[in-house]
Amino acid sequence: DAGITQSPRHKVTETGTPVTLRCHQTENHRYMYWYRQDPGHGLRLIHYSYGVKDTDKGEVSDGYSVSRSKTEDFLLTLESATSSQTSVYFCAISSPTGELFFGEGSRLTVL
Amino acid sequence: AQKVTQAQTEISVVEKEDVTLDCVYETRDTTYYLFWYKQPPSGELVFLIRRNSFDEQNEISGRYSWNFQKSTSSFNFTITASQVVDSAVYFCALGGGADGLTFGKGTHLIIQP
Repeated sequence: DAGITQSPRHKVTETGTPVTLRCHQTENHRYMYWYRQDPGHGLRLIHYSYGVKDTDKGEVSDGYSVSRSKTEDFLLTLESATSSQTSVYFCAISSPTGELFFGEGSRLTVL
Repeated sequence: AQKVTQAQTEISVVEKEDVTLDCVYETRDTTYYLFWYKQPPSGELVFLIRRNSFDEQNEISGRYSWNFQKSTSSFNFTITASQVVDSAVYFCALGGGADGLTFGKGTHLIIQP
């Protein structure tokens, strides 16, 4: 158990509404990541953080923002959800040796 | 840019057969790491192995083995005497730096009893 929890685990929302997914870690790791998983695309990096208030964009960052005000929390926000953002979202932390450990995932459906 | 290609979208074998999952990668980095993850039907992502680009020795862990060949930019994964519990989606990944890992699209492995 890597000590990562994601909330909510499941969410259904409507197009145009804001959505925030939360990732909480108890490992005190510096690096945290948000990925999305879609059929036929594998896992794609949305945003990552290398410390409190230090974040950067990944491969598919358009339409997403993140914040990290505390080491243990990394928030992913969809300002105005679209149907193309229906996906499973995974948060991850990086171990000192580079492997990522993932949360259980958050399934988001945008109607 | 880094890229990971898993050309096999889906593989189906009968239990006890050996199966190899292919992974080919592209990177300009001279130092990098390669990884394999397993995603069973329950959906969690399970770390299996990390390999340093300087270490081309094959690794064996029980029924699992990994063959890293730098000359062909490949990091293949073999399951010997497959079991139904091996059924999962397997992801190969590349990276190890602060900007996370680049994943292949995954291979869906089906082990039929």
